[in-house]
Amino acid sequence: DTAVSQTPKYLVTQMGNDKSIKCEQNLGHDTMYWYKQDSKKFLKIMFSYNNKELIINETVPNRFSPKSPDKAHLNLHINSLELGDSAVYFCASSQEGWRGAVTDTQYFGPGTRLTVL
Amino acid sequence: DQQVKQNSPSLSVQEGRISILNCDYTNSMFDYFLWYKKYPAEGPTFLISISSIKDKNEDGRFTVFLNKSAKHLSLHIVPSQPGDSAVYFCAAKGRGSNYKLTFGKGTLLTVNP
Repeated sequence: DTAVSQTPKYLVTQMGNDKSIKCEQNLGHDTMYWYKQDSKKFLKIMFSYNNKELIINETVPNRFSPKSPDKAHLNLHINSLELGDSAVYFCASSQEGWRGAVTDTQYFGPGTRLTVL
Repeated sequence: DQQVKQNSPSLSVQEGRISILNCDYTNSMFDYFLWYKKYPAEGPTFLISISSIKDKNEDGRFTVFLNKSAKHLSLHIVPSQPGDSAVYFCAAKGRGSNYKLTFGKGTLLTVNP
């Protein structure tokens, strides 16, 4: 009974392709996030959704488009993939997010390793 | 600009000894600090946190210390166990950053049997 799950775990694709990563949480949380961990190992937030509403968009290129069909899912679609998009992408969720207490804790999925050739 | 810094990329300790992982931050608006642990091919797992109104928080073998004046926090693991071998990320957030978590680069802890 995985709390935050992501598919696929590995994704290898050619430059210029369009791909999607799916994320689901069964914790009943209101807020979901996408993070990118690049080659320098920094974990940086990309997007945050609260109950299907976009809250945070961290100057991510327009080629990245999150989609939240319901509050348990936050998918990431990437158009025209570039070499620099190669990274590990983590989905996370938290109970309250920006509306709630600063003590609100984020729970992470296992990550999707994207390799663009 | 790195607002959360973990200057030691790696640390190696003997089983049973104390592990001390350090973290420095620059943003004075941060008021909540967390440590996450990450095993290879898995996502970060929440370990322990501390609010800026405290200077210490303890949970079993894990204790986090916060020195606000120095903008420094540390994670102590006593006694260290081989299963503690992982990458440890320090993270911080606050109202001034809209609750966005800012992470350090992580420290790889290796506990040798």
